[in-house]
Amino acid sequence: GQNIDQPTEMTATEGAIVQINCTYQTSGFNGLFWYQQHAGEAPTFLSYNVLDGLEEKGRFSSFLSRSKGYSYLLLKELQMKDSASYLCAVRDGNTDKLIFGTGTRLQVFP
Amino acid sequence: DGGITQSPKYLFRKEGQNVTLSCEQNLNHDAMYWYRQDPGQGLRLIYYSQIVNDFQKGDIAEGYSVSREKKESFPLTVTSAQKNPTAFYLCASIPGNRNQPQHFGDGTRLSIL
Repeated sequence: GQNIDQPTEMTATEGAIVQINCTYQTSGFNGLFWYQQHAGEAPTFLSYNVLDGLEEKGRFSSFLSRSKGYSYLLLKELQMKDSASYLCAVRDGNTDKLIFGTGTRLQVFP
Repeated sequence: DGGITQSPKYLFRKEGQNVTLSCEQNLNHDAMYWYRQDPGQGLRLIYYSQIVNDFQKGDIAEGYSVSREKKESFPLTVTSAQKNPTAFYLCASIPGNRNQPQHFGDGTRLSIL
């Protein structure tokens, strides 16, 4: 079967660091994507991992372990504008379809 | 500027009515996708098309239909058979290199009158 799990909600304080976890089970694997989505808007691309390890892009980093079926998105120096939903998506290697998790709603407080 | 254009932004459907959501892209992308998003939920795949004149059902295709007569256009029709159409609909496209992220349109919010 295909399954992607993320926490439903998280809260954090402005200036802090937060880690959003994603675990997945798919029949095949061909890359993992993280998207940010503000309420009522389309998702915007944040990061892509296909090999194990850490990808860093400014305040955002993403980590992948294929053997564990696990990824996390790390957000540093949190800002109020980071309050949004964060979607984990896995590309199924057999069908080439992108399978989305239900998203993690992050609220940043002053 | 290149991008994906969805229209309309808001759409209302009467009982028993078919409505069509437009999706146009000028990115020269081969593959196009339609997703449905319900409040507090992730994206679920309705239909996708990898080349012109060909498309495949996604996970929730019942009550929907699509066409892909041109590379730039991938309209979605929500038929009267879809009994719960109220949702946020997102169109996406991707170039031939599948390692690239999907580009999304701004979405269409569909409600029942």
